[in-house]
Amino acid sequence: SQTIHQWPATLVQPVGSPLSLECTVEGTSNPNLYWYRQAAGRGLQLLFYSVGIGQISSEVPQNLSASRPQDRQFILSSKKLLLSDSGFYLCASGQGSNSPLHFGNGTRLTVT
Amino acid sequence: AQSVTQLDSQVPVFEEAPVELRCNYSSSVSVYLFWYVQYPNQGLQLLLKYLSGSTLVKGINGFEAEFNKSQTSFHLRKPSVHISDTAEYFCAVTSRDYGQNFVFGPGTRLSVLP
Repeated sequence: SQTIHQWPATLVQPVGSPLSLECTVEGTSNPNLYWYRQAAGRGLQLLFYSVGIGQISSEVPQNLSASRPQDRQFILSSKKLLLSDSGFYLCASGQGSNSPLHFGNGTRLTVT
Repeated sequence: AQSVTQLDSQVPVFEEAPVELRCNYSSSVSVYLFWYVQYPNQGLQLLLKYLSGSTLVKGINGFEAEFNKSQTSFHLRKPSVHISDTAEYFCAVTSRDYGQNFVFGPGTRLSVLP
C-alpha cells in the first residue's frame, strides 16, 4: 500500500521568508500527486497537481509554486511567505479518477 | 463545474445513537464518490468509496453509504456511534470527465457526546 511522507509536521515562519515543503511517496510508481491547503475549520483547497515529472497544474494563482523533480517527490515552495499562507498543507497521491487519494499527515504552517 | 455540498457543518450526537452525514453533488455525468475521515492534526483517511455496482457501500469502522443517482446524493451512515468517531468527515467526488481533479465538500464535524 502507499505511504505518503511529509515533513516537517509543524513550521513557524516569519512573513517574507521562503518556504519549502517536501512530500515523498512509497509503494507506488508514476502517481498523480496533489498539494491541498486546509484553512482552520475549512475544507480542502486544491493548490497544485502533477501527472508526471516536471508536469504541474496550478489551480489557484498565488505566491506558491510546486515542482516534481522525481517521480515520487513533490515540493511546495514560496519565495516570500504571506500571513494568508498559514494553514494545514496536505500532500496526496492517486492513480486516477477511479482510485482514492492517499494523504500524508500534513504540515501545519504558521506565518507570523 | 463540479461541486459537493455537505449541508451540516456540525453534527452532535450521543454515544450509541445512529448518525447520518449528508452529501450532495452536482453532476450529470458518471461519478466516483468517496468519504474520508480526518482526526485532529492528521491527514485524511479513506472510509469508503463508490465506483460502480451496488449502491450500498460498506466501509471501515462500521460506516456505510448509499449512492442515489436520482437525488445526486451519497449520505454516510452509522447505526451506533462511539466516542472515537468524533472527527471531521469529508465527501469527495471525481469523474473520468474531470481529469485528475477531486472535489471535496466543506466537511462535517461529528461530535459524539457521552
